Amino acid sequence: GAGVSQSPSNKVTEKGKDVELRCDPISGHTALYWYRQSLGQGLEFLIYFQGNSAPDKSGLPSDRFSAERTGGSVSTLTIQRTQQEDSAVYLCASSLFGNSPLHFGNGTRLTVT
Amino acid sequence: KNEVEQSPQNLTAQEGEFITINCSYSVGISALHWLQQHPGGGIVSLFMLSSGKKKHGRLIATINIQEKHSSLHITASHPRDSAVYICAVRYGGATNKLIFGTGTLLAVQP
Repeated sequence: GAGVSQSPSNKVTEKGKDVELRCDPISGHTALYWYRQSLGQGLEFLIYFQGNSAPDKSGLPSDRFSAERTGGSVSTLTIQRTQQEDSAVYLCASSLFGNSPLHFGNGTRLTVT
Repeated sequence: KNEVEQSPQNLTAQEGEFITINCSYSVGISALHWLQQHPGGGIVSLFMLSSGKKKHGRLIATINIQEKHSSLHITASHPRDSAVYICAVRYGGATNKLIFGTGTLLAVQP
């Protein structure tokens, strides 16, 4: 596809379960970002991958959150032992280089019950 | 105090009006993004700029680096422009992390 693809589009999970969210960036894009947007709130930076460099994890809210990017392409964001406050839309974006225009996916709406 | 401040938070306009949304930030940046998010929709990048002015159709974005301020203008506004407009800044240096403003909710009435 031509755009950034995220899956699943919706995820409902029980408190305490682990979830994995997937992002397929645009082919050839070296930079990949994860953000989240809680209901009625602004966008919150989570993690940033650039090429083969060590990721910038400074936005991850707790050690329950982790992300990896395999082969410089697909990324997965994992949330362990989910809590209700983790409920949000998780957005992925990619860009050709670190300082290039961003292309956003449609997000994964996570609901923790 | 947010590092990136937008004003107004909410804006209602009549179709055809000229609209301005403002963004101020507190530190030196390497680039500033304007994003658009329609209700229930995805986020679209409108502009990325580091100096001067850019224009795309009815949208114009300007930035004043010395004053740490950017504006997004919409000429001849239309109801389909109704959306949340978000300013985001990329700080200079090694990081490429973006800091987002809280957004401006624009409603253009016919």
